[in-house]
Amino acid sequence: GNSVTQMEGPVTLSEEAFLTINCTYTATGYPSLFWYVQYPGEGLQLLLKATKADDKGSNKGFEATYRKETTSFHLEKGSVQVSDSAVYFCALGGNEKLTFGTGTRLTIIP
Amino acid sequence: EADIYQTPRYLVIGTGKKITLECSQTMGHDKMYWYQQDPGMELHLIHYSYGVNSTEKGDLSSESTVSRIRTEHFPLTLESARPSHTSQYLCASSEVGLAGRETQYFGPGTRLLVL
Repeated sequence: GNSVTQMEGPVTLSEEAFLTINCTYTATGYPSLFWYVQYPGEGLQLLLKATKADDKGSNKGFEATYRKETTSFHLEKGSVQVSDSAVYFCALGGNEKLTFGTGTRLTIIP
Repeated sequence: EADIYQTPRYLVIGTGKKITLECSQTMGHDKMYWYQQDPGMELHLIHYSYGVNSTEKGDLSSESTVSRIRTEHFPLTLESARPSHTSQYLCASSEVGLAGRETQYFGPGTRLLVL
């Protein structure tokens, strides 16, 4: 079946540092891949998505590339800000539902 | 930006009470979902619906029930709340599309505390 393995946290970085959160997946077919972000006390917001191999999703300075050969969808940002502190979820589209990773808590310190 | 609403946002209630968590969306999406999120952040799908009069149980067994009488409305009910039901409940919706390619949009969540 489908599965998502996400980098465990928590991750703490200084402001303006480079961010990578690893995500690898197992899936049948060619599903879409997603990154969602959850700020404290809120629901999940779609951050970016990619629908096929080699697609790059991007939003708010974040990027992730759908890599079929390595079954990965790593999230990156060149220079993080304090406002990026949140929990990040990698997710894989399936026939009936999304399969989520366990979430990575990111804290950015000034 | 998705238009999906949940009420109440926060609820503190005593054991044994009946509660209904409301979820509404104005996007005309056919598919809707309920997730339970534990304090460790992990998300568990507890119910979903393909459309009006369709409801299915998710991966995590739940004592809650759902109904789908109108496309835009997908309420979740607990007949008798218990402390073990304390959690955050997230509602989501999506259009029907190619399998594996549907984007889910989430509401702000209801944080439930059962005393």
